[in-house]
Amino acid sequence: GQQVMQIPQYQHVQEGEDFTTYCNSSTTLSNIQWYKQRPGGHPVFLIQLVKSGEVKKQKRLTFQFGEAKKNSSLHITATQTTDVGTYFCAGLIRGGSNYKLTFGKGTLLTVNP
Amino acid sequence: DAGITQSPRHKVTETGTPVTLRCHQTENHRYMYWYRQDPGHGLRLIHYSYGVKDTDKGEVSDGYSVSRSKTEDFLLTLESATSSQTSVYFCAISGNGGGETQYFGPGTRLLVL
Repeated sequence: GQQVMQIPQYQHVQEGEDFTTYCNSSTTLSNIQWYKQRPGGHPVFLIQLVKSGEVKKQKRLTFQFGEAKKNSSLHITATQTTDVGTYFCAGLIRGGSNYKLTFGKGTLLTVNP
Repeated sequence: DAGITQSPRHKVTETGTPVTLRCHQTENHRYMYWYRQDPGHGLRLIHYSYGVKDTDKGEVSDGYSVSRSKTEDFLLTLESATSSQTSVYFCAISGNGGGETQYFGPGTRLLVL
């Protein structure tokens, strides 16, 4: 079936290092959404990208949507301990008149202070 | 956070017993979803609803049933709980488009002994 693959599964960094997680789909996506889940918490929406090649920034976070609308990335500059958590991408795939949001398995980020 | 509550928040039950989890929203959103989250699997869709009495299966629907008799409530029932259904269950809601941002509830931790 249609899948959204996310890598890496885990990433451990020292505080101040950069971090990137990647999301890939075999199918063209209508949009891509990113969520963050803190340990013990629930997923929280971060951002949505819709246009081919779109780049959006939120402070130290940079989100990109590929030209073919099949891949995306989230980059965090100079990580902080508050960045700890699991980052999920979710791709919106259109099938006829229906839409289906498919989540990647997530990347767990841990930050060593 | 969106007005979503889940009950109970924690439950321990025995194999073979029926279990019902409740999701309640105050946002009047059309779409409601049930996910389960397990290590290494990310978020997997169990069932979803696109309106009162309108439901459909997700990717891991076996062993689960749902009901939505009111806009604000979406119930997930495990007819006969098994140990493989030990998981964290999240309810989510989204607006009229189905592919819009999803807002998650706080989750229910279910342990089946």
